[in-house]
Amino acid sequence: DAGVTQSPTHLIKTRGQHVTLRCSPISGHKSVSWYQQVLGQGPQFIFQYYEKEERGRGNFPDRFSARQFPNYSSELNVNALLLGDSALYLCASSGLWGYTFGSGTRLTVV
Amino acid sequence: DQQVKQNSPSLSVQEGRISILNCDYTNSMFDYFLWYKKYPAEGPTFLISISSIKDKNEDGRFTVFLNKSAKHLSLHIVPSQPGDSAVYFCAASAYSGAGSYQLTFGKGTKLSVIP
Repeated sequence: DAGVTQSPTHLIKTRGQHVTLRCSPISGHKSVSWYQQVLGQGPQFIFQYYEKEERGRGNFPDRFSARQFPNYSSELNVNALLLGDSALYLCASSGLWGYTFGSGTRLTVV
Repeated sequence: DQQVKQNSPSLSVQEGRISILNCDYTNSMFDYFLWYKKYPAEGPTFLISISSIKDKNEDGRFTVFLNKSAKHLSLHIVPSQPGDSAVYFCAASAYSGAGSYQLTFGKGTKLSVIP
């Protein structure tokens, strides 16, 4: 079985641009969560979606948005990129309990 | 305000000895605790978890202890192996209903197991 897949694996963007990150959960998992991990820190919760509805939102500005599609895949969008948005963005899918993380998308903003 | 704290950024242990990684939390609503292991350029990999109704959970070489009164948990790895060298994250969760829960992570402890 495929695990959580994220695309792209690496991305370089310029300040002010927009970025879309994608995540496909494990088959059968209906919940997807997004985390941001900056260097030297633990992952920080951004969003959780369950059955296509937002179930939780972390302390991130409105420049961050997400959605979940009928097939339970998800997109994370970030507008007006700042240098501080450079980080590893992790997607996790969950079934009854427990998170399985993808390998992440490394975003570099220059 | 950090709700989950891992106060040791790094730890070095000889192969075959015990590794003890510590974690403290402040939010009394947390009811489930997890340990993740992370290699560079990979996502965190689930290692072991414990519910707040237990004080110990064991899985092979890995044991997690929970002291609710002290709001403290620890991960014991016995015996430590070079392949255990990685960053270990402690995470805590509080279920908030309707399929909603989120993990709060510590900053991680980098474990180096020396052959």
